[in-house]
Amino acid sequence: QVQLIESGGGVVQPGRSLRLSCAASGFTFSNYGLNWVRQAPGKGLEWVTFISYDGTDKYYANSVKGRFTISRDNSQNTLYLQMNSLRIEDTAVYYCARDAAFTAGAVYWYFDLWGRGTLVTVSS
Amino acid sequence: EIVLTQSPGTLSLSPGERAALSCRASQRVSGTYLAWYQQKPGQAPRLLIHGASSRAAGIPDRFSGSGSGTDFTLTISRLEPEDFAVYSCQQYGSSPLAFGGGTKVEIK
Repeated sequence: QVQLIESGGGVVQPGRSLRLSCAASGFTFSNYGLNWVRQAPGKGLEWVTFISYDGTDKYYANSVKGRFTISRDNSQNTLYLQMNSLRIEDTAVYYCARDAAFTAGAVYWYFDLWGRGTLVTVSS
Repeated sequence: EIVLTQSPGTLSLSPGERAALSCRASQRVSGTYLAWYQQKPGQAPRLLIHGASSRAAGIPDRFSGSGSGTDFTLTISRLEPEDFAVYSCQQYGSSPLAFGGGTKVEIK
C-alpha cells in the first residue's frame, strides 16, 4: 500500500526540541523528493521544508530556517524533521508530503501523496 | 512573495449542486503552476488538480480547474456526498511555495 505515516508529535515546552519521523511504504522512496508541510489550528497549509531524493539539496521556509533540519534515510525509507528552539507559533499538524515528480532528480513542487499528519503542540 | 486568497470561506450547498471555488493570487502565478487539494478531517490531503487544469490520477471528471495569471477556479460540477470537505489551492511557480487559506464546502 502506497502511504506515508508520520509519528513523533506531542506536547513540548517552548525552547525545547522534538524529532518527527515519516515512514514510507509501497513506492521507491529513494526516487522522490519529500517535504514537510504544516497546518496551525484554524489556519491554511504552510510549506516548511524540502529534501531532494538523495538528500543533497535542502530548502527551508524563512520561519524555520536555522531551527529545523530535514533529513532522510533511504535504507530505512524514512524522512525526519529535527525541530529545535520550538516556539508557540510552531504549534501545528505536521504532514509529510511527496513531491509529484517520479523521476529521481526531478522536482515538480506540488504534492501527490500525503500522510495523515502528527500534532505538535508547543506550550508552557 | 505570492499570497493566495480563497473565497468564499465557506460554501453551503446541497448534493447535486455545482460548486465554484475561487483562488486569487497577489501576483501573477507563472506557468499556471497552481494545484488544488482536498482535505477531510483526520485524513491525508489529496491532490485533485495540478497545472491549474490537469486532473490528478484517479480524480473524477466532475472536478475541473481553470484560470491563469492571478485568478483560478476549482469547479465541482455535481456535488457528491463525499465531496463535502475543505479545498486548498497552492502556487508552485515561484519561491516560497504558498497555499491559500482554504474553502470549506458544507452540506446545506
